[in-house]
Amino acid sequence: AQRVTQPEKLLSVFKGAPVELKCNYSYSGSPELFWYVQYSRQRLQLLLRHISRESIKGFTADLNKGETSFHLKKPFAQEEDSAMYYCAPYRYGGATNKLIFGTGTLLAVQP
Amino acid sequence: DVKVTQSSRYLVKRTGEKVFLECVQDMDHENMFWYRQDPGLGLRLIYFSYDVKMKEKGDIPEGYSVSREKKERFSLILESASTNQTSMYLCAIRAGGYYNEQFFGPGTRLTVL
Repeated sequence: AQRVTQPEKLLSVFKGAPVELKCNYSYSGSPELFWYVQYSRQRLQLLLRHISRESIKGFTADLNKGETSFHLKKPFAQEEDSAMYYCAPYRYGGATNKLIFGTGTLLAVQP
Repeated sequence: DVKVTQSSRYLVKRTGEKVFLECVQDMDHENMFWYRQDPGLGLRLIYFSYDVKMKEKGDIPEGYSVSREKKERFSLILESASTNQTSMYLCAIRAGGYYNEQFFGPGTRLTVL
C-alpha cells in the first residue's frame, strides 16, 4: 500500500533561515507527488507538483526516487510562509485516482 | 476559476442526530471527494464519487455514507452522529487535465455534543 510520512509535526525556524520539510513515501511504480499548503483561515491549496519542476513562492521540491523522498525546501524563510504543509502522492487504482495526504507539518517562521 | 462551496462553515449537532454536509461545484467535474482533517492525522479520505450515482469508499468510510444525485452536488451523511466524528470536513473536486490538481472547499467544522 502506498504510504506517505511527514516526520515533523512542527518545524519552527527564524526568518531568513533555510527550511526543509521532509516527506518520504512508499510506492510501487512511478509516483506523482504534490505539496499542498493551508494558510491560517484559508482553504487548502496546491503549492507545487513534482512533475512541473517549478519553484513557487521560493519553494522547490525534488523527487529522489533512490531515497523515496520529496522534501520541500526554501533557502530563506519568510513570516508569510507560516502554514500547514501536506505532502500528497497520488494513489492509482480503483474507480479513479486520488490524493493521499501525509499527516502534515506546521511551519512556524519566527520574526 | 474553480469554485467549491460547502453548505455550512460551522455546525453543532447532538449525538445520534442525522447530519448532512453539502458540497457544490460550479463546473462539470466528475470527481468529488470528502476528507476529514484532524490534528496529527492529516487529511483522511472518507468517500469519493467519480460520476452521478457512482461512489467508492475511501480509507475511513465507517459511520458515513454519501449521495450524488446531480453532478454538481456531493453530500456526506452521518447516519447517527457520534462524538468521535467531531472534525473538520473538507470537500474537494479534481479538475481534469494533465496536472490532476484538486480544489478544496472552505471546510465545515462539525462539533458533535
